[in-house]
Amino acid sequence: DQQVKQNSPSLSVQEGRISILNCDYTNSMFDYFLWYKKYPAEGPTFLISISSIKDKNEDGRFTVFLNKSAKHLSLHIVPSQPGDSAVYFCAASFQGAQKLVFGQGTRLTINP
Amino acid sequence: DTAVSQTPKYLVTQMGNDKSIKCEQNLGHDTMYWYKQDSKKFLKIMFSYNNKELIINETVPNRFSPKSPDKAHLNLHINSLELGDSAVYFCASSQATGSNEKLFFGSGTQLSVL
Repeated sequence: DQQVKQNSPSLSVQEGRISILNCDYTNSMFDYFLWYKKYPAEGPTFLISISSIKDKNEDGRFTVFLNKSAKHLSLHIVPSQPGDSAVYFCAASFQGAQKLVFGQGTRLTINP
Repeated sequence: DTAVSQTPKYLVTQMGNDKSIKCEQNLGHDTMYWYKQDSKKFLKIMFSYNNKELIINETVPNRFSPKSPDKAHLNLHINSLELGDSAVYFCASSQATGSNEKLFFGSGTQLSVL
């Protein structure tokens, strides 16, 4: 019973183009969403988050969009750079949960 | 200066053995966690501790016993290792316990049970 799913295990994008990573969730109680980035042999690091009271949050080249009715969020990276090549995890939580529920990650490869 | 450090990085052992993974954070955080990345790559919470007190025990077999001697350390001891325990185990910490707390992860321990 996976409440957070990232259905694309991998994504390949050309440098300079837009990367779009997708995440779906099933638990309507989730009200806080995060994206983490993971390089090989390292732990995940926080990238960007969004509260359910918003539908968009932007931080430099990274923008997260939330569509509550579709229970879907996406991470846009523009322009994509080689250093963005990593595994991206979507995570969700709700008030009182005291834990994050993670998806299985999407491996993003940026081609020069 | 590593914020969350866990040792060892790799652990290869035989079925039935007992092993420990150590975790330390120097961020001054109150809450620490153990997550397991399974074969399907999902990161799943196992335990969380706040100020040495157990907050979450996510139906983990009692062969797994976390120990928090102080709020900067959360070690994981595993008894009678089984093949299915093979996974990557991540330690993490956060400033407090809350739904919107940012987690800081260690680099992981790859456990292989033969």
